[in-house]
Parts: sequence; structure tokens; C-alpha cells
Amino acid sequence: AQSVAQPEDQVNVAEGNPLTVKCTYSVSGNPYLFWYVQYPNRGLQFLLKYITGDNLVKGSYGFEAEFNKSQTSFHLKKPSALVSDSALYFCVVRDKGHGGSQGNLIFGKGTKLSVKP
Amino acid sequence: GAVVSQHPSRVICKSGTSVKIECRSLDFQATTMFWYRQFPKKSLMLMATSNEGSKATYEQGVEKDKFLINHASLTLSTLTVTSAHPEDSSFYICSARESGSSTDTQYFGPGTRLTVL
Repeated sequence: AQSVAQPEDQVNVAEGNPLTVKCTYSVSGNPYLFWYVQYPNRGLQFLLKYITGDNLVKGSYGFEAEFNKSQTSFHLKKPSALVSDSALYFCVVRDKGHGGSQGNLIFGKGTKLSVKP
Repeated sequence: GAVVSQHPSRVICKSGTSVKIECRSLDFQATTMFWYRQFPKKSLMLMATSNEGSKATYEQGVEKDKFLINHASLTLSTLTVTSAHPEDSSFYICSARESGSSTDTQYFGPGTRLTVL
């Protein structure tokens, strides 16, 4: 079965420092991977995705993620964190569909990012 | 970009009453919409998938008679929580996938906070 793991419940970073939010996945076949961000009491916002192509994917708000097939990882990164980046981040994998239909999204448990001034 | 709206954003109701939540895709058509439930500090749990013009597909453990889903048009899906009880209090988030899209991206609404007294 497809699954995704976020090993850290919380990541603390000082403003201006680089940040990494970790994600590993387990899929059969080629993975469809996504990162979403959720601000307090808000819905999810799409950050970026990997379907195929370049392993380094650039997304919204200066975030990027690197697909690493050998390590089955899809870590989210940003060179310089902002206080406004503080939020809950979800790594997501798309499940395999059936009968030609697209599969459902499977969410990691989420990682709370806290950026301090 | 693709925008999904939800209404209301917050609702408080008495136990035993029914509550309807609307989900609209504002600038795209969505053949498929999804309803999720999120508990505090937890990940999203898929409740059901609704396809325009057909019956919704419910995930295991979700009562279809309690959570009524209607997807009458390509831009509107509704979730009705019938005979609500305090344990139904949660954050409900809808999501929409653009019809015919090859991007595999789901867009999420801002969520509805339901509190049942």
C-alpha cells in the first residue's frame, strides 16, 4: 500500500536560516508526490508537486523539494526561512487509482514548522 | 490559480439538528470533489469522494446516511451532517480536482469549523 511518513512532529528554525521538512514515501510504481501547507484555521494550500522530470521541484513562496528515488524521500526545503512560513506542512502521495481513475491523496501526519525571529 | 470556496466558514448548532456545508470551485469545473475531516493537530481523513451526477463513494467507517453528499453541478458539492452530535464537531475541508486536468493537483477549500453543542 502507498504510504508517506513525516518523521518530525515539529521543526524549529530561526528566521533567515535554511529549513528542511522531511518526508519519506512508500509506493509501488512511480510516485506522485505533493507538499501542502496549512495556516491556522485555514484550508490547505498547494506548494509543489513531483510527477516526473527534474528531481528538484520549485514551488510557491520560495519552497523547493528534492525527489530522491534511492532514498525514497521528498524533503521540503527553503534557503531562508521567514516567520510567516510558520504553519503545518503535509507531505502527500497519490494512491494508485483503479480502473483508469486517479487515486486518492494519502496524507502524512503533518509537521509543524515554527520560525522564530 | 484555482480557487475553492466553502460556506459557512464556521457554524455552531444544537445537537440533533442538520448542517449543510457548501463547496464551490470558483474558476474551474470539477468533476470530482472530495470531503475531508481534520481533528485537532491531526492529518486529514478522507470521508468521501463525490462525482458530479452520481452517488458519492464513502470511505470505510463513514456513515453515508449521516454525511449526505450531493454533487449536482460541476462547480458545487454539498455535505450535510444530519442529526449532528458533539462528536461530529470537527474541521471539514473540501477539495476539488479540475475536470480533464492532467496536473493531478487537488485544490482545497478554506474549511468549515463545525461545533455541535
